[in-house]
Amino acid sequence: GESVGLHLPTLSVQEGDNSIINCAYSNSASDYFIWYKQESGKGPQFIIDIRSNMDKRQGQRVTVLLNKTVKHLSLQIAATQPGDSAVYFCAENIVSGGSNYKLTFGKGTLLTVNP
Amino acid sequence: DTAVSQTPKYLVTQMGNDKSIKCEQNLGHDTMYWYKQDSKKFLKIMFSYNNKELIINETVPNRFSPKSPDKAHLNLHINSLELGDSAVYFCASSQAGAQYFGPGTRLTVT
Repeated sequence: GESVGLHLPTLSVQEGDNSIINCAYSNSASDYFIWYKQESGKGPQFIIDIRSNMDKRQGQRVTVLLNKTVKHLSLQIAATQPGDSAVYFCAENIVSGGSNYKLTFGKGTLLTVNP
Repeated sequence: DTAVSQTPKYLVTQMGNDKSIKCEQNLGHDTMYWYKQDSKKFLKIMFSYNNKELIINETVPNRFSPKSPDKAHLNLHINSLELGDSAVYFCASSQAGAQYFGPGTRLTVT
């Protein structure tokens, strides 16, 4: 399959379980963070974002946690479904002025949901 | 309606050729981007335009030339294609926040 040879960090979970995907970011000046989901053959899809003045944000079945002290970001997916199988990327941004957002992407984590 | 669209979806060409990829967004965003995703899925920004003006150029060979005829379009022209240019190229757009990506163009240089 497409994952062969990718050497991405992988997470394999059972359908219905909760998933936690972790990300360490590099720049303490980063002020905005986004999680993306990329399914095979498609572009990255926005899931949820969080600004640095928050430490938690919830969406539908997803929660993002931000720990600025240790520069760590996590994505929690509740009741994981087979349709959640994808590569998940975290991205950090430093605002360079006005609306000039420059995102730096992490390596990605391959989530596989077993039925 | 597709928010960010790219053409073509697949592009196979020989070394030394010149090719273009087109991108259009109908979100009304001011900023558009080109990213390159390699075989290991690593996503790296190449260019960013804000309202037709180049604002980010990330050490990309000058064989790559973006052009933004208006703020809804950002095209990428590549001269003298090399084997290492083989990758998936994504266009994205944003308005002071999250970037929204197109479906990608898989470029294969033989």
